[in-house]
Amino acid sequence: GAVVSQHPSRVICKSGTSVKIECRSLDFQATTMFWYRQFPKQSLMLMATSNEGSKATYEQGVEKDKFLINHASLTLSTLTVTSAHPEDSSFYICSASGRGKETQYFGPGTRLLVL
Amino acid sequence: KQEVTQIPAALSVPEGENLVLNCSFTDSAIYNLQWFRQDPGKGLTSLLLIQSSQREQTSGRLNASLDKSSGRSTLYIAASQPGDSATYLCAVQWGGSYIPTFGRGTSLIVHP
Repeated sequence: GAVVSQHPSRVICKSGTSVKIECRSLDFQATTMFWYRQFPKQSLMLMATSNEGSKATYEQGVEKDKFLINHASLTLSTLTVTSAHPEDSSFYICSASGRGKETQYFGPGTRLLVL
Repeated sequence: KQEVTQIPAALSVPEGENLVLNCSFTDSAIYNLQWFRQDPGKGLTSLLLIQSSQREQTSGRLNASLDKSSGRSTLYIAASQPGDSATYLCAVQWGGSYIPTFGRGTSLIVHP
């Protein structure tokens, strides 16, 4: 099956710093990548959808200037949390969908803790 | 509105029991359905993916069934073990949409 990786798996940072999370499709070309956020004991909530080479589409209520998404290639998307604050602490999960396919393959997630 | 519901929200069973987790969805025109496992503080692990044209998928002690007409999927775990303790999430993708809808999960504890 298709494999999606995320790096780092866990990150701790100070308030005010920026953190970049990478999402890679290892064995297929991902036309579309998705970023989700999961609060404790909650289900996943879609933050944004990105297509390779174009700007991301953000869900309502998600600040695009705070959560910068770049999908520069068919195998890599990055999420940068800018000027992170403690309330940004959460579990961030990406998924990827290949050309002509609609099934999403999920990465293992990145746990962010902002002190 | 397309919704995914998982019942029960929590389940505690003794080791060795066979158990069934339930997932129901409101619109039968699905594209696929996935079952995931999530350990505390960890990411998602895909367990089984059932395409719309399939009735079930099996992997080891796990069997997932799909009944689109009734809007239901079940995840059957045979001979449960303490290592099966985790939260199990069901996610449905409907035709024409790239965005799966997740249930809130069933938290499973298998005690020795």
